[in-house]
Amino acid sequence: DIQMTQSPSTLSASVGDRVTITCRASQSILTWLAWYQQKPGKAPKLLIYKASTLDSGVPSRFSGSGSGTEFTLTISSLQPEDFATYYCQQYNSYSTFGQGTKVEIK
Amino acid sequence: QVQLQESGPGLVKPSETLSLTCTVSGGSISSHYWSWIRQPAGKGLEWIGRMYTSGTTNYNPSLKSRVSMSIDTSKNQFSLNLTSVTAADTAVYYCARAWGGASWYFDLWGRGTLVTVSS
Repeated sequence: DIQMTQSPSTLSASVGDRVTITCRASQSILTWLAWYQQKPGKAPKLLIYKASTLDSGVPSRFSGSGSGTEFTLTISSLQPEDFATYYCQQYNSYSTFGQGTKVEIK
Repeated sequence: QVQLQESGPGLVKPSETLSLTCTVSGGSISSHYWSWIRQPAGKGLEWIGRMYTSGTTNYNPSLKSRVSMSIDTSKNQFSLNLTSVTAADTAVYYCARAWGGASWYFDLWGRGTLVTVSS
C-alpha cells in the first residue's frame, strides 16, 4: 500500500497569506497526485490533478507542484472562501488519500 | 450537467449488509468509471472501489473480501454492497466519477449519505 502523509495537520493563516501544504508518498507515484478541498458538511471538490493541472473553474491562486514522493499545494493569496480542509490523493496504485490539512482563520 | 445522488438506508444493524445506490443524472453512466468513497465523522477519506460500465471492478484490498459493486445502465445507477458491517463502517458514503483509465482521480462527487451501523 502507498501511504500519503500531509503536513501540517492544521494551519492557521490570515486572508492574503501565502499558504503551502505538503504531501509525501511512501514510494514514487510519479505525478499521479490530486488535491481536493472539502468544506464542512460538503463533498470534496477536485482542485488539481496530475500534480499541477488545475481543474476547470479553479482559481489561479491555487497551484500544485512536485513529482516522485514530494508534492505541494500552494494558495498564493488566501481568500475567505479558502478556509477548508485539503486532501491529497495518490492514484498511481489504486487510490489513497492523505489525512487532511485544515486551514483555519488565524 | 452531470450530478450524482446517493440513496439507501441510513441505519444498518451489525453483521448485516450495507446497500447503497448512486443515481447519475444529466449524463450517461456508460463509458465511465464509478467509485465509492467513505469518510467516518471527523476523519479522512477512504476509497472503497470502482467499477466500469463493462463490469470491470477494482476494490480496496483492505475491504475486498466484503465489497461488491454492480451497475445498471438502463437506470443510470450503480450500487455498493458491504457485508458483515460493524460500527467501524459508520461513515458518510460518497459516490464519485473516477476519471482516467489505469490511474484515476475523482472529478464529480455526490453529496454523500450518512450510514450508521448500530443495533
